[in-house]
Amino acid sequence: EDKVVQSPLSLVVHEGDTVTLNCSYEVTNFRSLLWYKQEKKAPTFLFMLTSSGIEKKSGRLSSILDKKELSSILNITATQTGDSAIYLCAVERKSGTYKYIFGTGTRLKVLA
Amino acid sequence: DVKVTQSSRYLVKRTGEKVFLECVQDMDHENMFWYRQDPGLGLRLIYFSYDVKMKEKGDIPEGYSVSREKKERFSLILESASTNQTSMYLCASSLDGNYGYTFGSGTRLTVV
Repeated sequence: EDKVVQSPLSLVVHEGDTVTLNCSYEVTNFRSLLWYKQEKKAPTFLFMLTSSGIEKKSGRLSSILDKKELSSILNITATQTGDSAIYLCAVERKSGTYKYIFGTGTRLKVLA
Repeated sequence: DVKVTQSSRYLVKRTGEKVFLECVQDMDHENMFWYRQDPGLGLRLIYFSYDVKMKEKGDIPEGYSVSREKKERFSLILESASTNQTSMYLCASSLDGNYGYTFGSGTRLTVV
């Protein structure tokens, strides 16, 4: 059965800390892995990782895909209170279907 | 800026009512999806559609149906609402597998 597991489930840090969020997956015919940030409203797209693009970076956020370990990490450096959100990991479960299976998310709270 | 719009942010309905959740996208995307999001369970796929008048069941279609009469609109129907359908409902659309999903803001449905 396809599944995506995120850890930790929740995390509380102080501003300025660096955090690492984990996502592991067991999916048939892996095609892509996505990271989303969800605050009070719609999840917003952060990164897409594929076999041809295993590392992405945007400002203080970066993500790496480890196809051998079937996992990905999302790093946030110098955290700010605005980083408080649920971070979702999703994997396309079968190539070409655009159907993603989501993890349960990691709830990050950054304290001032 | 591309948009996926869900008609209601909050909705309260009575058990047994027929409920319509509407989703409209302005990006000319062919693929549209309905998910529900519950604590500890993450996002689960209810139904999706690859084209007008086409629909396919996701992982948890029981108790739901959908309608896609126009490319831009994808409706989720709860035939007879039950309390276990109390949830956050998220609509998403996608052009292809290269950009992931664009989500709507969600509808928080409470069935009493």
